[in-house]
Amino acid sequence: GAGVSQSPSNKVTEKGKDVELRCDPISGHTALYWYRQSLGQGLEFLIYFQGNSAPDKSGLPSDRFSAERTGGSVSTLTIQRTQQEDSAVYLCASSFRAWAGGPYNSPLHFGNGTRLTVT
Amino acid sequence: AQKITQTQPGMFVQEKEAVTLDCTYDTSDQSYGLFWYKQPSSGEMIFLIYQGSYDEQNATEGRYSLNFQKARKSANLVISASQLGDSAMYFCAMRDAIFNKFYFGSGTKLNVKP
Repeated sequence: GAGVSQSPSNKVTEKGKDVELRCDPISGHTALYWYRQSLGQGLEFLIYFQGNSAPDKSGLPSDRFSAERTGGSVSTLTIQRTQQEDSAVYLCASSFRAWAGGPYNSPLHFGNGTRLTVT
Repeated sequence: AQKITQTQPGMFVQEKEAVTLDCTYDTSDQSYGLFWYKQPSSGEMIFLIYQGSYDEQNATEGRYSLNFQKARKSANLVISASQLGDSAMYFCAMRDAIFNKFYFGSGTKLNVKP
């Protein structure tokens, strides 16, 4: 079946411009995450959506970053007034929700990422 | 507080030998899941193996096994008979029960030498 889809795969933008990154999760997945990854580095958590609950925005690095998830499906990560330090790969991931007393074995499925370059 | 700790930023292993990648975690929950992912230089994140907190036996998937020591809160990944294609970054992750949220370690970069 279809996996997590991210678009665009590459984005080059000028410093100061706004960008929107899109994520289409796997159908039925209630959890959606955004991560940022610089070259050779680990995953930096940005934001987590779980069903209709308020999103966990604790990882957003500044108020220039925001994300929304419409209809519990597609998500858009917006970066306003981009800076050169925003250059990275932005990864989206989704999973089913595990339930209390049930298995927690539903893994996160990742998209191929959007490589953002700010010039 | 950091939930997942991977203390080996980089490791080398000779081809055909076994290697253990360390992972410790911190939680007060009784129910949780532990995962390992592989990220080759191509960038894709590949799910390798899962261990549930109530599973009594260590998980195995082909050449991958998870050495789960619940009392020590460790979930080490063991790769047997390393291959050149195993060269990649490896991430340990935990899914907690309270927020149903995933936490990732900082990763271990494994290089397999011919």
